[in-house]
Amino acid sequence: GAVVSQHPSRVICKSGTSVKIECRSLDFQATTMFWYRQFPKQSLMLMATSNEGSKATYEQGVEKDKFLINHASLTLSTLTVTSAHPEDSSFYICSAREAGDTGELFFGEGSRLTVL
Amino acid sequence: GQNIDQPTEMTATEGAIVQINCTYQTSGFNGLFWYQQHAGEAPTFLSYNVLDGLEEKGRFSSFLSRSKGYSYLLLKELQMKDSASYLCAVMDSNYQLIWGAGTKLIIKP
Repeated sequence: GAVVSQHPSRVICKSGTSVKIECRSLDFQATTMFWYRQFPKQSLMLMATSNEGSKATYEQGVEKDKFLINHASLTLSTLTVTSAHPEDSSFYICSAREAGDTGELFFGEGSRLTVL
Repeated sequence: GQNIDQPTEMTATEGAIVQINCTYQTSGFNGLFWYQQHAGEAPTFLSYNVLDGLEEKGRFSSFLSRSKGYSYLLLKELQMKDSASYLCAVMDSNYQLIWGAGTKLIIKP
């Protein structure tokens, strides 16, 4: 199956700093990528839908100025957590949908963010 | 290497019961998740198991045996809307999610 890679897999940062997480589709072109966050023992929560070349669509309650999403190419989307705080500590996971496909999603491995 | 195995496709009849199996080999274990995904939609969480045994939630139940590296998702009183893909995912010792390829469940009237 198609491969989606996330980097970094783990990151620890100080409060107030910004952290960028990359999501890459390695062997296919992804017109749409999704960003989720997940707290321990809870479901994935969709944060935003990222479409190549256009602005991301954020879910209700997700601050677009805090979670900056850029989908500049068909193989790369980035999520930047700006001015991170301890409450932003979570597991962030992306998924990607191949261009022109029937809707199947391929998921990245996830990125665990810890804000001190 | 790390691996999650689940059947590619299963077919069942409306009103019946179906069991979707998942076996895994991972470096460490921090829980097993089951997700449901309808075509073109984001996955939705179904269950989480970290201890051995059966977790029941309405028509859906999930079972885990850590010693056997085995889980199953049991769906009762099947409805047409249950036609979807069911994803098994294991969180390893590094808290990374290792995903199965998903089982496409087809419900027939």
